[in-house]
Amino acid sequence: DIVMTQSPDSLAVSLGERATINCKSSQSVLYSSNNKNYLAWYQQKPGQPPKLLIYWASTRESGVPDRFSGSGSGTDFTLTISSLQAEDVAVYYCQQYYSTVFTFGPGTKVDIK
Amino acid sequence: EVQLLESGGGLVQPGGSLRLSCAASGFTFSSYAMSWVRQAPGKGLEWVSAISGSGGSTYYADSVKGRFTISRDNSKNTLYLQMNSLRAEDTAVYYCANQPIGDYGDPGHFDYWGQGTLVTVSS
Repeated sequence: DIVMTQSPDSLAVSLGERATINCKSSQSVLYSSNNKNYLAWYQQKPGQPPKLLIYWASTRESGVPDRFSGSGSGTDFTLTISSLQAEDVAVYYCQQYYSTVFTFGPGTKVDIK
Repeated sequence: EVQLLESGGGLVQPGGSLRLSCAASGFTFSSYAMSWVRQAPGKGLEWVSAISGSGGSTYYADSVKGRFTISRDNSKNTLYLQMNSLRAEDTAVYYCANQPIGDYGDPGHFDYWGQGTLVTVSS
C-alpha cells in the first residue's frame, strides 16, 4: 500500500499569515500516461465530515477560496493557505487515489496563534 | 444539491453484524463510484471499501476484507455496507462518499461526503 505522511502534525499561525502543510507519498502518484498526480486535499472541521479542497494535486474544487492552493508532483506535495482566516481552523488531510487501496495522511491540525 | 445520507449505525456486540445504508441524491448515482470511509473516535480517516458505478468492481481495505461486503442498488440510488464479525476496532463514524470516475475507469478523489453514522462495537 502507498503510505502517506504529513508534516507538521500541527501548526499555529497568526491571522493573515501563511500556513504550509507538507505531504509525502511512499511511491510516486504521478501517472505518466496523463501526467496527472493522483493526490487530493481535504479539510475537516470539528464535528463535520471532510470537505474536498484540492484534487489532481493542484485543482481547486469549485467554491473553495483562492487562498487555498496545492502544489507538488511525484512524491512531494504542499497545501498552502496564503492568508489564514479564523474559519480555516481545521484538520487537513492529503490522500492518494493512484492505487485503488486509497490511503490518507495522518492529518495536520491548523490553529490560530 | 448533492446529498448523501447514511443510516444503520448503532451499538453491536463483538462478533455481531450490521448493515449500513447511504441514500444518494442530486447527482447521477450510477455514473459515480462510491466508497465507505471511517473515522475512529479522535483519529484520522481510514478508507474501508469502494464500488464501481455499475457495481461490477469492488475494493476493500485489508482490515475488513472477508468481513465486510459493499454493494449498491442503482435503481434506489443507495449504497450499502454489510459488516459481519465486527470487532472493537471497527468502532468509528462511517461516511459514504462519491467518487468521479478517473481517466482510465478507476475511482477518483472523494467528491462529496455524508454526515456519517456511528458504529459502536462493545459488549
